[in-house]
Amino acid sequence: DAGVTQSPTHLIKTRGQQVTLRCSPKSGHDTVSWYQQALGQGPQFIFQYYEEEERQRGNFPDRFSGHQFPNYSSELNVNALLLGDSALYLCASSLGPSLSQETQYFGPGTRLLVL
Amino acid sequence: AQSVSQHNHHVILSEAASLELGCNYSYGGTVNLFWYVQYPGQHLQLLLKYFSGDPLVKGIKGFEAEFIKSKFSFNLRKPSVQWSDTAEYFCAVLIKAAGNKLTFGGGTRVLVKP
Repeated sequence: DAGVTQSPTHLIKTRGQQVTLRCSPKSGHDTVSWYQQALGQGPQFIFQYYEEEERQRGNFPDRFSGHQFPNYSSELNVNALLLGDSALYLCASSLGPSLSQETQYFGPGTRLLVL
Repeated sequence: AQSVSQHNHHVILSEAASLELGCNYSYGGTVNLFWYVQYPGQHLQLLLKYFSGDPLVKGIKGFEAEFIKSKFSFNLRKPSVQWSDTAEYFCAVLIKAAGNKLTFGGGTRVLVKP
């Protein structure tokens, strides 16, 4: 049973560039959520995708966008990178968007460094 | 805005000692509560969760947590820790009225000395 997978594992970019991170959910899951975890802090919710639509969004600017594909995998795009975007980006999957019934399973994350 | 506070950033203790990690949240309505653990080099994993019912919940690896609604708390406990419990522990809250997003605390780094 494949868990949540993310690619790439590490990435180095420069300010102003754009980045795309990818996530494949756990087998059988149809909902993907993205989190940003800065060094020494807890994960912060970016957004959630279900049925190929953004269902919920946290306090992140429009530079952060995403997409979900028919096979439930998802991408996180960040435009015009800032130094402060350096963080571990976590993907989590669940069955259905309602986390009051379901548990989220987390991937290993993509560590992004912006120079 | 709702928040989750974990008051201890770092905890160091010896094997066989008891562990208690504090978690408080700021919201007066219905919540779901979670504790996640991140072992060195591994993914975030769910330790236990509270949705409703018995406020004392038991999780994996001998961990338990108690939901005290009047104190807005969900403290994590383990009677006797092992070296393998060295990890970072995160409390998280789901506020149903705010949608399907988890709000995490800042985490507590626990080091168990052999």
